[in-house]
Amino acid sequence: DGGITQSPKYLFRKEGQNVTLSCEQNLNHDAMYWYRQDPGQGLRLIYYSQIVNDFQKGDIAEGYSVSREKKESFPLTVTSAQKNPTAFYLCASSRLAGDNEQFFGPGTRLTVL
Amino acid sequence: AQKVTQAQTEISVVEKEDVTLDCVYETRDTTYYLFWYKQPPSGELVFLIRRNSFDEQNEISGRYSWNFQKSTSSFNFTITASQVVDSAVYFCAPPPGSARQLTFGSGTQLTVLP
Repeated sequence: DGGITQSPKYLFRKEGQNVTLSCEQNLNHDAMYWYRQDPGQGLRLIYYSQIVNDFQKGDIAEGYSVSREKKESFPLTVTSAQKNPTAFYLCASSRLAGDNEQFFGPGTRLTVL
Repeated sequence: AQKVTQAQTEISVVEKEDVTLDCVYETRDTTYYLFWYKQPPSGELVFLIRRNSFDEQNEISGRYSWNFQKSTSSFNFTITASQVVDSAVYFCAPPPGSARQLTFGSGTQLTVLP
């Protein structure tokens, strides 16, 4: 079945540690996205990528980094520079970074202790 | 800048009632797409519909219908005969990609009571 996988579903880390969230898609989509969602809030864009080896900052990129070495994979690293990293992280993909609907993964809930 | 406004933060209805979720879109673009997504308690967003600003005909899919009015920049979503399983957060969203605004609004939390 085609879709987007994110792992793990729940993640706990100590303050000051970097952590990488995985996102893989087998939909053959060109564009991929990372969003952050805080309780009772909408989704805020962290980074997006339209093609391999290229990505752009979203609204809240500070304290995060990404890579896009393969079309299928778009991992997100939450660095120690991110002041409030505890949140729900959603990865999405779409056919092209244009007027196409996005398909979302199940999300990773990150808690920094 | 583009902006989506969902003024209704929370709505509660009793099962079988009809409910309409409002969305207003501000943009300088003459043509554009808008999307609706559903986020159930599990957290994963599900795509519901994409509409082009040129198409103002109502779209109906089962108990769901959408009304797009370019003159008022509104793209409203109606659930007919609501069910408990409709309880979720619903997002009206602009298109992804390019240099446009890509942040979803805060959505509307719909609770359908049995």
